[in-house]
Amino acid sequence: GENVEQHPSTLSVQEGDSAVIKCTYSDSASNYFPWYKQELGKRPQLIIDIRSNVGEKKDQRIAVTLNKTAKHFSLHITETQPEDSAVYFCASGGSYIPTFGRGTSLIVHP
Amino acid sequence: GAVVSQHPSWVICKSGTSVKIECRSLDFQATTMFWYRQFPKQSLMLMATSNEGSKATYEQGVEKDKFLINHASLTLSTLTVTSAHPEDSSFYICSAQDGQVNTEAFFGQGTRLTVV
Repeated sequence: GENVEQHPSTLSVQEGDSAVIKCTYSDSASNYFPWYKQELGKRPQLIIDIRSNVGEKKDQRIAVTLNKTAKHFSLHITETQPEDSAVYFCASGGSYIPTFGRGTSLIVHP
Repeated sequence: GAVVSQHPSWVICKSGTSVKIECRSLDFQATTMFWYRQFPKQSLMLMATSNEGSKATYEQGVEKDKFLINHASLTLSTLTVTSAHPEDSSFYICSAQDGQVNTEAFFGQGTRLTVV
């Protein structure tokens, strides 16, 4: 089955800095890569996703890049704000069942 | 986006009793729903895939007789934790996709189960 590795497990940045979270996957057939944000005690919510026919997608301060050859994709958050503090999960959709990474706890210090 | 509603949001029960958690897709039909367990500061651990009209598919290590899943309609799946014990205390969360492969997963609010 699919295996998704996510790094780092914890990321601490100062407000205004950029944050990068990286994931690798194993199933070369995977073609859908979403990122979810989960605030404490709340449900995960999609923040951005990318499909295998593009290499990069951007939405305001958030961007995702995909390297299908290397089987890795990354989340980039620029100009971080305290409200960006949360746990971020990557996922890989090779089959109908999404496989989630272990999560990255992002802490943005004011 | 689509809405998935999960109830209850929290429950406290005594050891040995059973607890039922409901997961509903409010504005779309979900032939498949997923049940996850999440420990503090950890990832979403897939427990089982719930298929409408058929038996659920359980992940390795998940006891099907302990975690009963019923998906009787296209909008409702239930997870029953039977004979609950303190070690079953956890955050349980369901998700569903809007019928298509490789699309956004919509999550329920989650259920915080505490077994005392």
